[in-house]
Amino acid sequence: NAGVMQNPRHLVRRRGQEARLRCSPMKGHSHVYWYRQLPEEGLKFMVYLQKENIIDESGMPKERFSAEFPKEGPSILRIQQVVRGDSAAYFCASSRGDSNQPQHFGDGTRLSIL
Amino acid sequence: AQSVTQLDSQVPVFEEAPVELRCNYSSSVSVYLFWYVQYPNQGLQLLLKYLSGSTLVKGINGFEAEFNKSQTSFHLRKPSVHISDTAEYFCAVSTTPYNTDKLIFGTGTRLQVFP
Repeated sequence: NAGVMQNPRHLVRRRGQEARLRCSPMKGHSHVYWYRQLPEEGLKFMVYLQKENIIDESGMPKERFSAEFPKEGPSILRIQQVVRGDSAAYFCASSRGDSNQPQHFGDGTRLSIL
Repeated sequence: AQSVTQLDSQVPVFEEAPVELRCNYSSSVSVYLFWYVQYPNQGLQLLLKYLSGSTLVKGINGFEAEFNKSQTSFHLRKPSVHISDTAEYFCAVSTTPYNTDKLIFGTGTRLQVFP
């Protein structure tokens, strides 16, 4: 009964490279949320997706960041041309969306930019 | 818009002592309230939630919280802490009970339990 799976757990990139973070929701969950946690801060909402649809991207930076949740496969958070300020822990959460159940979180991907 | 304030960034306490972690929120609409715990290098685990009904909510690991609408607070308490409770605790609000909306988090409180 696997929980939310995120990979990689740690990702190191040089400035200007691309970072791709993956999230497989819990079985039966069709709603995915991405949050970012900067050092010494709380989690900040980035984007909320359902299969093949972006529902709310109000927390996404306007440039370089994109997210998708295709019909098949994991959700992907993509950061192009990374900068030092992108260094953070990125968490994915999933839920059924139609029942009285909370969001379940993955263990996160820690992104370090050199 | 909703916001969450956790008044204490760090709370040191001795083992077996009681603890209270404070959380206040602001919102122009009804909110639903959550406490999550984060152990080092791990994701967030739900401790408890308030959706409706009794204002005293019991969660896992002996934690409980009380929803106070007039004071817009949702403080987390435990009567006797263990070393293993050392972690970061986050209070969060949502505008829907079914979590189809985003969670707004406080900045967290680091609970450190000393022997």
